[in-house]
Amino acid sequence: NAGVTQTPKFQVLKTGQSMTLQCAQDMNHNSMYWYRQDPGMGLRLIYYSASEGTTDKGEVPNGYNVSRLNKREFSLRLESAAPSQTSVYFCASSVVPGTENSPLHFGNGTRLTVT
Amino acid sequence: GENVEQHPSTLSVQEGDSAVIKCTYSDSASNYFPWYKQELGKGPQLIIDIRSNVGEKKDQRIAVTLNKTAKHFSLHITETQPEDSAVYFCAAQTYDKVIFGPGTSLSVIP
Repeated sequence: NAGVTQTPKFQVLKTGQSMTLQCAQDMNHNSMYWYRQDPGMGLRLIYYSASEGTTDKGEVPNGYNVSRLNKREFSLRLESAAPSQTSVYFCASSVVPGTENSPLHFGNGTRLTVT
Repeated sequence: GENVEQHPSTLSVQEGDSAVIKCTYSDSASNYFPWYKQELGKGPQLIIDIRSNVGEKKDQRIAVTLNKTAKHFSLHITETQPEDSAVYFCAAQTYDKVIFGPGTSLSVIP
């Protein structure tokens, strides 16, 4: 039982390049989330998927797109990377969105640097 | 908008002492309050949580208290150990969103 798996662990991009961050969970969770974490800014929600087939914008969606490929997988795409997107990206999942006793389960993050 | 305040932002304690982290939330619809621990290079991991109809919960050296009237909740760690050093996040959850506090960096000095 691996939990939430993110790939890659590290990535360096040049400005304007594109890439997709992959996330998969094996806990049969309905909801999946993408957060970014920057020094002094805490965890900010980029996009989330309450259930398979649905996606919604979070607090900071600009410059990103997502795909809920199936119940297990939720990917985050940067179409044209910018230095402001240098961050640590975390994928998370939960059983049912927003219910009591429904904590988030996080992956170990992707550390992205855009030069 | 809704937010969660968390204090202190950094905390340094001697091994064996207690550590207390306090959070205040604004959304009165919040009904679930998890606490996460983030070790260096890893994602946040749930360490304890409390529901809105419970005032206190304890798990070994960790306890959480909730005052719904005042919209305050706190994390208490007793007999701290070096492995407790990490960043701790509180969160307040409603039926459709999770709001995190900004985090507390705890250092336990051996």
